[in-house]
Parts: sequence; structure tokens; C-alpha cells
Amino acid sequence: GENVEQHPSTLSVQEGDSAVIKCTYSDSASNYFPWYKQELGKRPQLIIDIRSNVGEKKDQRIAVTLNKTAKHFSLHITETQPEDSAVYFCAALPGGYQKVTFGTGTKLQVIP
Amino acid sequence: SAVISQKPSRDICQRGTSLTIQCQVDSQVTMMFWYRQQPGQSLTLIATANQGSEATYESGFVIDKFPISRPNLTFSTLTVSNMSPEDSSIYLCSVGNFNQPQHFGDGTRLSIL
Repeated sequence: GENVEQHPSTLSVQEGDSAVIKCTYSDSASNYFPWYKQELGKRPQLIIDIRSNVGEKKDQRIAVTLNKTAKHFSLHITETQPEDSAVYFCAALPGGYQKVTFGTGTKLQVIP
Repeated sequence: SAVISQKPSRDICQRGTSLTIQCQVDSQVTMMFWYRQQPGQSLTLIATANQGSEATYESGFVIDKFPISRPNLTFSTLTVSNMSPEDSSIYLCSVGNFNQPQHFGDGTRLSIL
């Protein structure tokens, strides 16, 4: 089955700096890659996703890149703010049947 | 996205008892899933709730311990049976449609004494 590795497990950045979280996956059949943000005590919320026919996607301060050849995808947050502090999970799944495989999570701390 | 209501939001239970968690969606969805999240950990899929048929369980999870119902396209329940302290966790339902992202309920925080 699919295996998703996520790095780093913790990340501290100064407010205004950029943050990058990286994931690798093992199953070449995976073609959909969502990212979830989970604030303390709350549910995971989808913040951005990318499909395999696209190399990059942006939404305001958040961007995701995908390298299908290397089986890598990354989340980039620019101009970080304290409210970006949360745990971020990457995920991978094949199209159609939605059995999602989650990464281990990255705890992001943005220091004011 | 769909509005997902999960009940109860939290509970404290005695060991050996069972608790049923409900997940209600405001629109019909193809897929409903149940996850467990230990404190500080990632999400572990327990099972996929299939409408009109038995749930599909992941390795390490069995129907006797986690019976699941899915009577229609908007509702599912997960029962945690014969609970022990190791079952203390957050249980989350999620929903999705074909080729669409999953969305999560608020979770049930369960503590076993």
C-alpha cells in the first residue's frame, strides 16, 4: 500500500518568514495530494490540494508543488503569521476511491 | 463543502462499556470514513463505512471491537466496544464523494477510566 513520509516533524519560523514542509510517497498510482491544517483541539481542515496533472498550485500565501517523477510534493507558506501555527498533514490517494494515506504531520510554530 | 455533525463531542466512560458515536452529514455523500487520532499523532483509518453493506476494516481493526453502521447516504455510527484505557483517543468521521477531497467532522474526544 501507499506510504507517505513527511518532514520535518517540527518547524519554528519567525513571523514573516517562509515555511516549507516536504512529503514523499511510494505508490505511483497516487494522483491526488491534499494538505490539511489542524489547530489544537480542532478538526483537520483542507487548505490546498493538487492533482497529478499540475506541477504547482497557489492560493494567496500558500502554494503546493508536485514532482511526480521523484514522488515528492511540498507545501510552501510565505509571509507566515501567528495564526499559521498548527499541525499540517500531507496526504496521498489514488483517484476515485478515497482511501487516504496521511503523513505523520508537521507542527509549525510561528514566533511573533 | 458538506456540514458534518459528530456526536458526542466528548465523553468519559468506564472500562468495559461501549459508546456509539454518530456522524450526520447535511447532504448525500458516497464515502464515509472513521479515523482514530492519538494525541500528537497522525490519523489512522479504522474503516470505510459502506452504505448497504458491511464496513471495510483496516489492518488491526475488527468489527467486533468497532462495529459500524451506514443505514443511508447521510448517516453513520461507530461503536467502540468493551472499552479499555488504550481506546482513549479522538475519533473522527470524514466524508467525500468520488474524486473529491475528504472533509472531517469535529471529532469525539473519548477518555476511558
